[in-house]
Amino acid sequence: DAGVTQSPTHLIKTRGQQVTLRCSPKSGHDTVSWYQQALGQGPQFIFQYYEEEERQRGNFPDRFSGHQFPNYSSELNVNALLLGDSALYLCASSSFGGTDRYSNQPQHFGDGTRLSIL
Amino acid sequence: AQKITQTQPGMFVQEKEAVTLDCTYDTSDPSYGLFWYKQPSSGEMIFLIYQGSYDQQNATEGRYSLNFQKARKSANLVISASQLGDSAMYFCAMREGHTGANSKLTFGKGITLSVRP
Repeated sequence: DAGVTQSPTHLIKTRGQQVTLRCSPKSGHDTVSWYQQALGQGPQFIFQYYEEEERQRGNFPDRFSGHQFPNYSSELNVNALLLGDSALYLCASSSFGGTDRYSNQPQHFGDGTRLSIL
Repeated sequence: AQKITQTQPGMFVQEKEAVTLDCTYDTSDPSYGLFWYKQPSSGEMIFLIYQGSYDQQNATEGRYSLNFQKARKSANLVISASQLGDSAMYFCAMREGHTGANSKLTFGKGITLSVRP
């Protein structure tokens, strides 16, 4: 049973460049969430995709955008990279819980992509 | 105001002993879920345990248990019989909202746990 896979593992970019990170969800999952984790901090929610649409968004600028494909995989794009974008980017997948307010399903995380901006 | 507070900067425990990692939270939503994740140095986030706001009993999963005190808004993780492999960062996270598994998670800053042989 394949878990969440992310690529690439590491990436080095310079300021002003653009980057695309990729995520394949766990088998059977249809929802993908992206998180940014700065060094020494907890992950912060960027956005979530379900049915190829952005469903929720955290407090991140429009430079951060995403996409979900029909096979549920997802991409995170960041434009005009800043030094402060250096972080571990985590993808998490889950099954859409609908109106189940009491679902105990956890989000399953990938190993992350470590992005360094020079 | 922080929604998830983890104030212990680092914890040390002797192998085979128990350790408690603290977490307090803040929410006005009566329906919420609390999660604990473990993050080794490799970076992966590993789900450990879940507690729902309406659960009557404290959650347990193997060596992990959750000391849930709803009135105090605390959800402390207890690890029994610590092992060397338990050395990692531990994050408390909260899910609010009405869409079950798919509401965003809000994380604390984490706690570093080091297990001594």
